[in-house]
Amino acid sequence: DAKTTQPTSMDCAEGRAANLPCNHSTISGNEYVYWYRQIHSQGPQYIIHGLKNNETNEMASLIITEDRKSSTLILPHATLRDTAVYYCIVRVRGYDMRFGAGTRLTVKP
Amino acid sequence: DTAVSQTPKYLVTQMGNDKSIKCEQNLGHDTMYWYKQDSKKFLKIMFSYNNKELIINETVPNRFSPKSPDKAHLNLHINSLELGDSAVYFCASSDHEKLFFGSGTQLSVL
Repeated sequence: DAKTTQPTSMDCAEGRAANLPCNHSTISGNEYVYWYRQIHSQGPQYIIHGLKNNETNEMASLIITEDRKSSTLILPHATLRDTAVYYCIVRVRGYDMRFGAGTRLTVKP
Repeated sequence: DTAVSQTPKYLVTQMGNDKSIKCEQNLGHDTMYWYKQDSKKFLKIMFSYNNKELIINETVPNRFSPKSPDKAHLNLHINSLELGDSAVYFCASSDHEKLFFGSGTQLSVL
């Protein structure tokens, strides 16, 4: 599976969009980009995933570059409850997820 | 109605003891997992079961033995507990598209 690189930490102002980048330059054609988050002390929570096209759901949007070597998770209006560690994972299948260090997002009032 | 539930939520025990953590999912999934999150917060996959059959065993010591009586349950038994086993253990299930995690069991070995 392709490796991913994410910034260690990011801050975002409450109410503003949070844009979390992820590099996956060695991604294969059949690998999906998944995003999960872990709010303090809770189990990780699925956010969104995509293959090539941009995706949007009630939680977030996922923008994948045309060459698929990087992606951005967008939380359109971040709230204090979005403070969490966000994991970008590249995987052929939707299971056996292996988590890296992720990005610690802090939403500030 | 909790989708993936683990018990107990907290477990404090002495070194050398044997303990079990139970996990149940009501999502109808065929695949279940155990993950371990250590003090440095790295989340590592330990085991994966599909239809009660062991699929993944990620170089976990033999003291850890998962047991799946049916596809809705995956329990984790740990023998001869060591200090280094202290961690948060998460159970998860999958619909082969996404994972659903339990709320975790914080194990403290004294």
